[in-house]
Amino acid sequence: QTVVTQEPSFSVSPGGTVTLTCGLSSGSVSTSYYPSWYQQTPGQAPRTLIYSTTTRSSGVPDRFSGSILGNKAALTITGAQADDESDYYCVLFMGSGSYVFGTGTKVTV
Amino acid sequence: EVQLVESGGGLVKPGGSLRLSCAVSGFTFSNAWMSWARQAPGKGLEWVGRIKSKSDGGTIDYAAPVKGRFTISRDDSKNMLYLQMNSLKTEDTAVYYCTTVKVGAACFDSWGQGTLVTVSS
Repeated sequence: QTVVTQEPSFSVSPGGTVTLTCGLSSGSVSTSYYPSWYQQTPGQAPRTLIYSTTTRSSGVPDRFSGSILGNKAALTITGAQADDESDYYCVLFMGSGSYVFGTGTKVTV
Repeated sequence: EVQLVESGGGLVKPGGSLRLSCAVSGFTFSNAWMSWARQAPGKGLEWVGRIKSKSDGGTIDYAAPVKGRFTISRDDSKNMLYLQMNSLKTEDTAVYYCTTVKVGAACFDSWGQGTLVTVSS
C-alpha cells in the first residue's frame, strides 16, 4: 500500500514563505508522477492549484508555485495571505490508472 | 462555465446500496475523463475511481478499498456520471465528489460540491 506523506501542519506569518512537501513512503517523487496540488477550506470542495509538477491552474495567483525538491514534490507559497489558511493536498499518479492523495497539510497564517 | 452537481447521497444501512449521480454542463462530456473522490468526516481526501472517455477506450480503474463493490458508469447522451455503491461499509461514510480529469496531466481539474453518504445502522 503506497503512502503519500505530507507534513501535518505548518504555520506561516502573513507575507512569509512556506514550502509544503509531498513524498513517497518508499522511493522518490519525480515528474513522472505528475504531482498536483489542491487547496481546501472547511466545508468547501477542493480547488486545483498546480498540476504536472509546476503548471498553475487557471486563476491561481503566482504566489503559488510547484517544483521537485530533492526526492519530493513541493508547493511553495510566497507572500502568504490570510485567505491562504487552508488544508493542502497533493496527488501522485501511480500509473496503471491509479492515483493517491497525500495525507494533507494544514496551513495556518 | 464548468458545472458538476452531485446528488443521491443519504443514509444507508451497512450492506446496503446507493447510486450517486453527477450532472455535468459547460464542456463536452463525451470527451471527458471523469473521477470520483471522497472525504470521510474530519479526514483527508481519497481517490475512488476514474473512467476514461469512450473514444479513449472507456477504461475504468478503482482504488483498492472499493474495487469489486463500487461501479462507475457514464451516460454521454445525458451528460451524467454515476457511482453505484454496493455492500456498503461504515468506513464508506464520506462526502463524495465528482471531478473532471485533465487528460495527459493526471489532475483533478474541476470539482462538484459533493454529496454526503452516511453508512450506519
